[in-house]
Amino acid sequence: AQSVAQPEDQVNVAEGNPLTVKCTYSVSGNPYLFWYVQYPNRGLQFLLKYITGDNLVKGSYGFEAEFNKSQTSFHLKKPSALVSDSALYFCAVRDGRTNAGKSTFGDGTTLTVKP
Amino acid sequence: NAGVTQTPKFQVLKTGQSMTLQCAQDMNHNSMYWYRQDPGMGLRLIYYSASEGTTDKGEVPNGYNVSRLNKREFSLRLESAAPSQTSVYFCASSEGSTRTYEQYFGPGTRLTVT
Repeated sequence: AQSVAQPEDQVNVAEGNPLTVKCTYSVSGNPYLFWYVQYPNRGLQFLLKYITGDNLVKGSYGFEAEFNKSQTSFHLKKPSALVSDSALYFCAVRDGRTNAGKSTFGDGTTLTVKP
Repeated sequence: NAGVTQTPKFQVLKTGQSMTLQCAQDMNHNSMYWYRQDPGMGLRLIYYSASEGTTDKGEVPNGYNVSRLNKREFSLRLESAAPSQTSVYFCASSEGSTRTYEQYFGPGTRLTVT
């Protein structure tokens, strides 16, 4: 079984400040981890992923995420938030042992960046 | 490339009516997925197809059927719609090989069942 927890329904930050959106996961095999963003009335867009290698991964729009195996976390970060970053963010995990596996998504975190 | 396309964008059904949601991708992806999104519940997997010719149940398959028509197309059918199936439905696809498991999503179908 695999699961994802996004402990914060809402994150509010001021423009220019750093932002963090939290994600913890549980999976039996090797974790493959993903972040997606959803703007209003749109489908999800892929931001970044961790499969293997460096624990700090960089993705689109200046976002990055740090894989922490001991804490089973994969928090999304950005050094300086923009108002345009306001959106709904989803963390997802899949078991890397199988090619035919499926991803499990968290419930999402709404990020609001205020001017 | 159009990516992942879904039709229709909006649909209103009466209880008991049937309909098929269409999804197509032009990225030559092996795997395709159907999700529903409800407020406060994130994305829940309905069915998925790891490769052409295979389909498997996800988390919430009851009341739905799917067909992987070919590598490009994956349809979702509601045989007898119920108000509990009011939701936004997303189709997604992924290449499905090593290091490329990220999913690409369509724009969604907003379904209301009255």
